[in-house]
Amino acid sequence: GDSVTQMEGPVTLSEEAFLTINCTYTATGYPSLFWYVQYPGEGLQLLLKATKADDKGSNKGFEATYRKETTSFHLEKGSVQVSDSAVYFCALRGSNYQLIWGAGTKLIIKP
Amino acid sequence: NAGVMQNPRHLVRRRGQEARLRCSPVKGHSHVYWYRQLPEEGLKFMVYLQKENIIDESGMPKERFSAEFPKEGPSILRIQQVVRGDSAAYFCASSPTTLGTGETGELFFGEGSRLTVL
Repeated sequence: GDSVTQMEGPVTLSEEAFLTINCTYTATGYPSLFWYVQYPGEGLQLLLKATKADDKGSNKGFEATYRKETTSFHLEKGSVQVSDSAVYFCALRGSNYQLIWGAGTKLIIKP
Repeated sequence: NAGVMQNPRHLVRRRGQEARLRCSPVKGHSHVYWYRQLPEEGLKFMVYLQKENIIDESGMPKERFSAEFPKEGPSILRIQQVVRGDSAAYFCASSPTTLGTGETGELFFGEGSRLTVL
């Protein structure tokens, strides 16, 4: 079945560092791919999405490119801030209604 | 604010009591999902409902848990005879429709209800 694998956390970086959080997936067909973010004590918010191969989703300085050849959707940001500290979830939605979730990656940014 | 509204935000129950969690979806959304999140873990799907119908409850424990989404009013997740292991954050999400109608599948989440069982 469909699945999503994220790099394990926590990921700890200094402010202004470059961020990559890896996400790979297994799916039949052409799923839509998502990154959601969960700030402490809050619900999940959609960060960005991509619906077809080679699409790049971007928001708040974050980017992710839908790579069908490597079945990946890695999240990147050029210069992180303390306020980016959160848990990041990669997810896919295939041919049915269900979102398939990665386990989440906790990001800690130190000033 | 037309977002997903969940209440209560925090609920404390003693073992054996009942917990009722409510979710009002985004206005116009007819699909509701419930997820459970244990501390330091990801989301676990519990149930998917449309108005007056349970579409998929494959993630719901077979006993003590039930969910409904009536024609009028919020969706309710009900946990009877709570145990300590039920302590978790319960998130509700909604979407306007299913795939096949141009919808890309984004879910809109509430802020969660955090249940603590003493």
